[in-house]
Amino acid sequence: KAGVTQTPRYLIKTRGQQVTLSCSPISGHRSVSWYQQTPGQGLQFLFEYFSETQRNKGNFPGRFSGRQFSNSRSEMNVSTLELGDSALYLCASRSTGERTDTQYFGPGTRLTVL
Amino acid sequence: EDKVVQSPLSLVVHEGDTVTLNCSYEVTNFRSLLWYKQEKKAPTFLFMLTSSGIEKKSGRLSSILDKKELSSILNITATQTGDSAIYLCADAGGTSYGKLTFGQGTILTVHP
Repeated sequence: KAGVTQTPRYLIKTRGQQVTLSCSPISGHRSVSWYQQTPGQGLQFLFEYFSETQRNKGNFPGRFSGRQFSNSRSEMNVSTLELGDSALYLCASRSTGERTDTQYFGPGTRLTVL
Repeated sequence: EDKVVQSPLSLVVHEGDTVTLNCSYEVTNFRSLLWYKQEKKAPTFLFMLTSSGIEKKSGRLSSILDKKELSSILNITATQTGDSAIYLCADAGGTSYGKLTFGQGTILTVHP
C-alpha cells in the first residue's frame, strides 16, 4: 500500500499571503489529522477530519482551516501568513475500520514564511 | 489538558551502547501511548501501548508502559548509527480518536 503523500514538499511564501497544503491518506483510511512541528513547540495538533467533517480542533487561530473531500484527501489552508507560521506541516492518516489510535504520517510540507 | 514530558531531551552515545528513553504523561482519559521515530522527515510508528498491552518488542527496540507511574520507557540495545533520530512519545486519550498529544522528543545521536 502506498503511504501518506503530501504536496508540495517545500513552499516559500511572504507574510500576508495564504497557502494551501494537500494530503492524500493511505488507501482505505478515512481519518486525516494535521500537525504543525516547530523547534520551539514540537509537534502540535491542528485538526482532524473524518468523512468530510472536522471532529477535533487544536488551539490554533482561525487563520488555520481545513477540509476533507469525499475521497478522504484533505487540504489545509493558512491565511494571512505570519513569520511564526514557518514550520513543518505533517498530516497523518488512521484506519477507522477498527478502534485504533495508530496514525501514519506523511513526509510533511516545509513552509517558510519570509 | 493532556501533557506528555520526555527525558532526556538529547542523548549522545556510541555504537553498541544501550539507551533508555523516558516518557511521562498526565491525561484525563488514558487510552494508549505511542512511540515514533523521526529521522529527516515523516515520523514512523514504532509501538502502541495500552492497558491491555503494556510491553512491546521489535528487534533491538522494546517498550514498557507503567500504568501506576503514568510513564513509559523505550529501550534500544546494541545501538547503531542508524538509530540516530528524534524519538517521540504521544498520548492518545480522551473520548475521541484522531488527536495525538506529543512530548518534546528525545534527540538520540549514536557515534561510530
